[in-house]
Amino acid sequence: AQSVTQLDSQVPVFEEAPVELRCNYSSSVSVYLFWYVQYPNQGLQLLLKYLSGSTLVKGINGFEAEFNKSQTSFHLRKPSVHISDTAEYFCAVISGGSNYKLTFGKGTLLTVNP
Amino acid sequence: NAGVTQTPKFQVLKTGQSMTLQCAQDMNHNSMYWYRQDPGMGLRLIYYSASEGTTDKGEVPNGYNVSRLNKREFSLRLESAAPSQTSVYFCATPKGQGRAFFGQGTRLTVV
Repeated sequence: AQSVTQLDSQVPVFEEAPVELRCNYSSSVSVYLFWYVQYPNQGLQLLLKYLSGSTLVKGINGFEAEFNKSQTSFHLRKPSVHISDTAEYFCAVISGGSNYKLTFGKGTLLTVNP
Repeated sequence: NAGVTQTPKFQVLKTGQSMTLQCAQDMNHNSMYWYRQDPGMGLRLIYYSASEGTTDKGEVPNGYNVSRLNKREFSLRLESAAPSQTSVYFCATPKGQGRAFFGQGTRLTVV
């Protein structure tokens, strides 16, 4: 069975500060990993994804994430956040043989303060 | 425009009433999902359909039924709504094992 743990439910930061949102996954087989963002009262948008290849993946809006197989982690980072980055962020996983079942973490609310 | 269309966007039901949430995608994807989103719980999978004619239970299927009518449409039915089913419901469809495209959601309140 696959699962995703987002270690922080809320992360408050000041504008222009760096941020890291943590995600750990559990799966016994190969995985595909995703970060989605949800702005207030909207649906989910894909930020970035790891399918294979380079373990450092870059996404939209200056976000990046690093796949670490030994630590089963896929943490999301941004070197300098803006007020507009305030949103809820979800880590998600599809594992091989799961028949395309996409499993989400519980989300991390990022609040960027001026 | 290509995408995932959910109807209705908002709905208020009385306890015990039934309703069907509709979802249609025009991207010719095989798989479709129904999720519910509740504060602090993230998105939990209700049912999914890996291909036309197949459906499988997800994490929280109790109280729901689904129909994969054809490749485009995947409906979610509440036979007897309960206040615990108050939630925001999302339909989604992934492109193979890559990006999932989401509808805008249906905000359901059961009173």
